[in-house]
Amino acid sequence: AQSVTQLDSQVPVFEEAPVELRCNYSSSVSVYLFWYVQYPNQGLQLLLKYLSGSTLVKGINGFEAEFNKSQTSFHLRKPSVHISDTAEYFCAARPSNDYKLSFGAGTTVTVRA
Amino acid sequence: NAGVMQNPRHLVRRRGQEARLRCSPMKGHSHVYWYRQLPEEGLKFMVYLQKENIIDESGMPKERFSAEFPKEGPSILRIQQVVRGDSAAYFCASSPNLGDRDSNEKLFFGSGTQLSVL
Repeated sequence: AQSVTQLDSQVPVFEEAPVELRCNYSSSVSVYLFWYVQYPNQGLQLLLKYLSGSTLVKGINGFEAEFNKSQTSFHLRKPSVHISDTAEYFCAARPSNDYKLSFGAGTTVTVRA
Repeated sequence: NAGVMQNPRHLVRRRGQEARLRCSPMKGHSHVYWYRQLPEEGLKFMVYLQKENIIDESGMPKERFSAEFPKEGPSILRIQQVVRGDSAAYFCASSPNLGDRDSNEKLFFGSGTQLSVL
């Protein structure tokens, strides 16, 4: 079984400032890691994923995340946010041999001008 | 191509009533997954269905909850005799195959149904 912890429930940030959303996971087997974004009144969209290989993965809309096996973390970053990045962000993990996702509780990012 | 459609968006029920949540998968998708998000928690897997078959219901509560995905029409998550603890956001996802096992790129989520039990 695996679990996912998102350390921040709310992150307010000013436009054009950097943002980092923290995610830690625990698992007894190898996992794939994902970040999803949910804009207001929309479904969850896949932002980026880590399956294997390079530990720095780039996603849509300028986001990137770094897989750190020793710290069991998969933090999401963006160097300069826009108002349109206001959304809820979910970190998720899935065993490499299964389809069931485990999600963190989500981080609400509010970008202010 | 419309995305995964869930309705209603919000559903209010009194204790003891029945709740029916609907999910229409994306066109061409034959696999449906239901997840539940309780307050302050992450989404938790409930059930995985293919057309007319329940493949995995390991995340479903043993009583009062059922799910179906008929040959025609949307997938339905049914909760009988609702209690306050059933208040949550229920998300549906669909894919054309087994969750696009490697990448999740073909797994699409709906916007969820927020169930409130008074």
